[in-house]
Amino acid sequence: KQEVTQIPAALSVPEGENLVLNCSFTDSAIYNLQWFRQDPGKGLTSLLLIQSSQREQTSGRLNASLDKSSGRSTLYIAASQPGDSATYLCAVPYGGSQGNLIFGKGTKLSVKP
Amino acid sequence: EPEVTQTPSHQVTQMGQEVILRCVPISNHLYFYWYRQILGQKVEFLVSFYNNEISEKSEIFDDQFSVERPDGSNFTLKIRSTKLEDSAMYFCATSGERTGELFFGEGSRLTVL
Repeated sequence: KQEVTQIPAALSVPEGENLVLNCSFTDSAIYNLQWFRQDPGKGLTSLLLIQSSQREQTSGRLNASLDKSSGRSTLYIAASQPGDSATYLCAVPYGGSQGNLIFGKGTKLSVKP
Repeated sequence: EPEVTQTPSHQVTQMGQEVILRCVPISNHLYFYWYRQILGQKVEFLVSFYNNEISEKSEIFDDQFSVERPDGSNFTLKIRSTKLEDSAMYFCATSGERTGELFFGEGSRLTVL
């Protein structure tokens, strides 16, 4: 059974700091891995999708890496800003499913001005 | 930017009543999903829908739940005989490809009294 774990559960950093969020999954047979952002009481905003054949994906100040063999992904946020404060979720498809994503509990990030 | 639209944003209902949550997918997307998030818990998969039929469902998605796309645009989730434990945020998600990126709506908050 696929399980997704995110460490740390919460993180508080001063503005401008670079930071890394971690995601691990137990079953390495995944099609892809997706990172999302969730603001309080809001929906999920897709940040990055990494296909299983890729090692990393970049979007602006965000860089996500994927190491399937070790069951790990990291989300690197450069030069953090207060507007980056949110909960960050990673998710992987379950088995050969069509969009049955298994989510982690998320990392709640707070960037202090 | 195309987005997934959900209505209502918040619905309060009495236990035992039926509710219908609606979703307008991104126009060229063919894969549709419902997820839910109970307050403070992980986002959980409910059901996937493709080519006018359910392609996969979780253990949560029992006979109390049903989905349909009655008019080729709206994608609906019906919850019959609601229970207190159905209180949650329900998210619709859509994708243009079987293993592609999922795009989520802002959610419908259901409160069962």
